[in-house]
Amino acid sequence: SSALTQPLSVSVSPGQTASIPCSGENLGKKYTCWYAQKPGQSPFLIIYQDNKRPSGIPERYSGSISGNTATLTISGAQAMDEADYYCQAWDNSAALFGGGTKLTVL
Amino acid sequence: DVQLVESGGGLVKPGGSLRLSCAVSGLRFTTAWMNWVRQAPGKGLEWVGRIKSNNDGGTTDYAASVKGRFTIRRDDSSNTLYLEMNSLKVEDTAVYYCCTLTVVTLNDNWGQGTRVIVSP
Repeated sequence: SSALTQPLSVSVSPGQTASIPCSGENLGKKYTCWYAQKPGQSPFLIIYQDNKRPSGIPERYSGSISGNTATLTISGAQAMDEADYYCQAWDNSAALFGGGTKLTVL
Repeated sequence: DVQLVESGGGLVKPGGSLRLSCAVSGLRFTTAWMNWVRQAPGKGLEWVGRIKSNNDGGTTDYAASVKGRFTIRRDDSSNTLYLEMNSLKVEDTAVYYCCTLTVVTLNDNWGQGTRVIVSP
Protein backbone atom coordinates (compact mmCIF):
# COMPACT_ATOMS: atom_id res chain seq x y z
CA SER A 1 0.00 0.00 0.00
CA SER A 2 1.08 3.57 -0.64
CA ALA A 3 2.02 5.90 2.19
CA LEU A 4 0.40 9.25 2.97
CA THR A 5 2.90 11.98 3.77
CA GLN A 6 2.26 14.91 6.08
CA PRO A 7 4.58 17.42 7.73
CA LEU A 8 5.43 16.61 11.34
CA SER A 9 4.39 20.02 12.59
CA VAL A 10 2.74 23.26 11.55
CA SER A 11 2.61 26.48 13.54
CA VAL A 12 0.12 29.29 13.13
CA SER A 13 -0.63 32.53 14.93
CA PRO A 14 -4.10 32.95 16.44
CA GLY A 15 -6.54 34.24 13.84
CA GLN A 16 -4.33 33.25 10.92
CA THR A 17 -4.77 30.43 8.43
CA ALA A 18 -3.06 27.07 8.77
CA SER A 19 -2.69 24.61 5.93
CA ILE A 20 -1.74 20.98 6.36
CA PRO A 21 -0.89 19.06 3.17
CA CYS A 22 -1.16 15.32 2.69
CA SER A 23 0.31 13.69 -0.38
CA GLY A 24 0.07 10.17 -1.65
CA GLU A 25 0.16 8.10 -4.80
CA ASN A 26 -3.09 8.45 -6.72
CA LEU A 27 -4.64 10.32 -3.80
CA GLY A 28 -6.60 12.39 -6.28
CA LYS A 29 -8.49 9.24 -7.29
CA LYS A 30 -9.53 8.44 -3.71
CA TYR A 31 -11.55 10.24 -1.07
CA THR A 32 -9.53 11.80 1.73
CA CYS A 33 -10.72 12.11 5.30
CA TRP A 34 -9.16 14.24 8.00
CA TYR A 35 -9.15 13.45 11.72
CA ALA A 36 -8.25 15.55 14.70
CA GLN A 37 -6.98 14.13 17.96
CA LYS A 38 -6.42 16.00 21.18
CA PRO A 39 -4.25 14.61 23.99
CA GLY A 40 -5.87 11.71 25.78
CA GLN A 41 -8.85 11.61 23.41
CA SER A 42 -9.97 9.41 20.57
CA PRO A 43 -9.65 10.76 17.04
CA PHE A 44 -12.70 12.42 15.52
CA LEU A 45 -13.61 13.10 11.93
CA ILE A 46 -13.50 16.67 10.70
CA ILE A 47 -13.52 16.26 6.91
CA TYR A 48 -14.72 13.45 4.65
CA GLN A 49 -15.02 13.02 0.88
CA ASP A 50 -12.13 15.50 0.50
CA ASN A 51 -14.11 18.57 1.49
CA LYS A 52 -17.29 17.77 3.41
CA ARG A 53 -17.75 18.63 7.09
CA PRO A 54 -19.77 16.46 9.48
CA SER A 55 -22.36 18.34 11.47
CA GLY A 56 -20.87 20.09 14.45
CA ILE A 57 -17.50 20.78 12.84
CA PRO A 58 -16.84 24.53 12.61
CA GLU A 59 -16.88 26.17 9.19
CA ARG A 60 -13.29 27.32 9.69
CA TYR A 61 -12.26 23.76 8.83
CA SER A 62 -12.14 23.03 5.11
CA GLY A 63 -10.59 20.45 2.84
CA SER A 64 -9.44 20.49 -0.74
CA ILE A 65 -7.65 18.28 -3.23
CA SER A 66 -5.28 19.22 -6.02
CA GLY A 67 -3.61 16.50 -7.99
CA ASN A 68 -2.37 13.97 -5.47
CA THR A 69 -2.21 16.38 -2.55
CA ALA A 70 -5.08 16.90 -0.14
CA THR A 71 -5.01 19.94 2.10
CA LEU A 72 -6.70 20.68 5.38
CA THR A 73 -7.16 24.41 5.94
CA ILE A 74 -8.04 25.99 9.24
CA SER A 75 -9.09 29.59 8.78
CA GLY A 76 -8.90 31.91 11.76
CA ALA A 77 -7.10 29.36 13.91
CA GLN A 78 -7.93 29.33 17.59
CA ALA A 79 -6.07 27.97 20.58
CA MET A 80 -8.64 25.19 20.82
CA ASP A 81 -7.56 23.98 17.37
CA GLU A 82 -4.24 22.75 18.74
CA ALA A 83 -4.26 19.04 18.05
CA ASP A 84 -2.73 16.30 15.96
CA TYR A 85 -4.28 16.04 12.51
CA TYR A 86 -4.27 12.91 10.37
CA CYS A 87 -5.25 12.41 6.76
CA GLN A 88 -6.70 9.07 5.77
CA ALA A 89 -7.69 7.32 2.55
CA TRP A 90 -8.64 3.84 1.43
CA ASP A 91 -6.32 1.91 -0.88
CA ASN A 92 -7.20 -1.59 -2.06
CA SER A 93 -9.32 -2.47 0.96
CA ALA A 94 -6.75 -1.09 3.39
CA ALA A 95 -7.05 2.16 5.29
CA LEU A 96 -3.99 4.38 5.12
CA PHE A 97 -3.24 7.08 7.64
CA GLY A 98 -0.76 9.86 7.27
CA GLY A 99 1.88 10.14 9.95
CA GLY A 100 0.10 13.03 11.61
CA THR A 101 0.76 16.76 11.90
CA LYS A 102 0.96 18.55 15.21
CA LEU A 103 -0.68 21.95 14.91
CA THR A 104 0.58 24.58 17.31
CA VAL A 105 -1.30 27.86 17.68
CA LEU A 106 0.98 30.50 19.16
CA ASP B 1 -26.23 7.85 21.14
CA VAL B 2 -23.68 5.64 19.45
CA GLN B 3 -21.33 3.91 21.85
CA LEU B 4 -18.33 1.72 21.16
CA VAL B 5 -16.74 0.35 24.31
CA GLU B 6 -13.50 -1.59 24.10
CA SER B 7 -12.26 -3.95 26.77
CA GLY B 8 -9.73 -6.71 27.26
CA GLY B 9 -6.50 -4.77 27.16
CA GLY B 10 -3.68 -5.43 29.56
CA LEU B 11 -0.11 -6.55 30.02
CA VAL B 12 1.09 -9.61 28.15
CA LYS B 13 4.49 -11.13 27.48
CA PRO B 14 5.97 -11.37 23.99
CA GLY B 15 4.63 -14.42 22.21
CA GLY B 16 1.43 -14.32 24.23
CA SER B 17 -2.18 -13.85 23.21
CA LEU B 18 -4.97 -11.46 24.06
CA ARG B 19 -8.55 -10.96 22.93
CA LEU B 20 -10.05 -7.50 22.76
CA SER B 21 -13.78 -6.89 22.68
CA CYS B 22 -15.83 -3.94 21.49
CA ALA B 23 -19.44 -3.64 22.57
CA VAL B 24 -21.43 -1.55 20.12
CA SER B 25 -24.75 0.17 20.69
CA GLY B 26 -26.76 2.91 19.04
CA LEU B 27 -25.96 1.92 15.47
CA ARG B 28 -27.08 -0.84 13.16
CA PHE B 29 -24.25 -3.23 13.95
CA THR B 30 -25.37 -5.96 11.57
CA THR B 31 -24.77 -3.74 8.55
CA ALA B 32 -21.67 -1.95 9.86
CA TRP B 33 -18.19 -2.58 8.52
CA MET B 34 -16.03 -2.53 11.62
CA ASN B 35 -12.36 -1.65 12.03
CA TRP B 36 -9.57 -1.78 14.56
CA VAL B 37 -7.06 1.06 14.60
CA ARG B 38 -4.12 1.26 16.99
CA GLN B 39 -1.79 3.95 18.25
CA ALA B 40 1.58 3.16 19.74
CA PRO B 41 2.77 5.45 22.55
CA GLY B 42 3.64 8.84 21.13
CA LYS B 43 3.02 7.67 17.59
CA GLY B 44 0.38 8.09 14.90
CA LEU B 45 -2.66 6.07 13.95
CA GLU B 46 -2.23 2.67 12.30
CA TRP B 47 -5.09 0.73 10.77
CA VAL B 48 -5.09 -2.87 11.97
CA GLY B 49 -7.90 -4.42 10.00
CA ARG B 50 -11.55 -4.52 9.05
CA ILE B 51 -14.46 -6.93 8.91
CA LYS B 52 -17.34 -6.39 6.55
CA SER B 53 -20.93 -7.06 7.50
CA ASN B 54 -22.10 -10.63 7.12
CA ASN B 55 -24.52 -9.40 4.48
CA ASP B 56 -21.48 -8.22 2.50
CA GLY B 57 -19.64 -11.49 2.98
CA GLY B 58 -18.15 -10.97 6.44
CA THR B 59 -14.68 -10.92 4.92
CA THR B 60 -11.65 -9.49 6.65
CA ASP B 61 -8.67 -7.41 5.59
CA TYR B 62 -5.55 -6.82 7.65
CA ALA B 63 -2.49 -4.62 7.74
CA ALA B 64 0.66 -6.42 6.68
CA SER B 65 2.13 -5.90 10.15
CA VAL B 66 -0.51 -8.10 11.79
CA LYS B 67 -1.64 -10.45 9.03
CA GLY B 68 -1.42 -14.06 10.14
CA ARG B 69 -1.23 -13.12 13.84
CA PHE B 70 -4.44 -11.13 14.40
CA THR B 71 -8.00 -12.18 13.65
CA ILE B 72 -11.08 -9.98 13.62
CA ARG B 73 -14.43 -11.58 14.36
CA ARG B 74 -17.92 -10.27 14.93
CA ASP B 75 -20.96 -11.54 16.79
CA ASP B 76 -24.05 -9.89 15.41
CA SER B 77 -26.24 -11.55 18.04
CA SER B 78 -24.52 -9.54 20.76
CA ASN B 79 -23.35 -6.52 18.73
CA THR B 80 -19.75 -7.29 19.66
CA LEU B 81 -16.54 -6.99 17.69
CA TYR B 82 -13.44 -8.93 18.63
CA LEU B 83 -9.74 -8.72 17.93
CA GLU B 84 -7.84 -11.91 18.65
CA MET B 85 -4.13 -11.24 18.90
CA ASN B 86 -1.57 -14.03 18.87
CA SER B 87 2.23 -14.14 18.78
CA LEU B 88 2.30 -10.67 20.26
CA LYS B 89 5.40 -8.55 19.84
CA VAL B 90 6.71 -5.62 21.82
CA GLU B 91 5.86 -3.42 18.84
CA ASP B 92 2.18 -4.33 19.20
CA THR B 93 2.09 -2.17 22.33
CA ALA B 94 -0.57 0.44 21.64
CA VAL B 95 -4.00 1.78 22.41
CA TYR B 96 -6.45 -0.18 20.29
CA TYR B 97 -9.55 1.59 19.01
CA CYS B 98 -12.67 -0.03 17.66
CA CYS B 99 -14.31 2.14 15.01
CA THR B 100 -16.43 2.48 11.96
CA LEU B 101 -14.55 4.44 9.33
CA THR B 102 -16.10 6.51 6.59
CA VAL B 103 -15.43 5.00 3.17
CA VAL B 104 -17.71 7.17 1.07
CA THR B 105 -20.88 7.73 3.05
CA LEU B 106 -20.39 9.44 6.38
CA ASN B 107 -20.26 6.78 9.08
CA ASP B 108 -17.57 7.46 11.62
CA ASN B 109 -17.62 6.35 15.23
CA TRP B 110 -14.76 5.59 17.62
CA GLY B 111 -14.45 3.95 20.99
CA GLN B 112 -12.32 5.28 23.80
CA GLY B 113 -9.63 2.67 23.23
CA THR B 114 -8.10 -0.09 25.31
CA ARG B 115 -4.41 -0.26 26.13
CA VAL B 116 -2.27 -3.27 25.30
CA ILE B 117 1.26 -3.52 26.66
CA VAL B 118 3.54 -6.26 25.41
CA SER B 119 6.57 -6.49 27.65
CA PRO B 120 8.90 -9.21 28.99
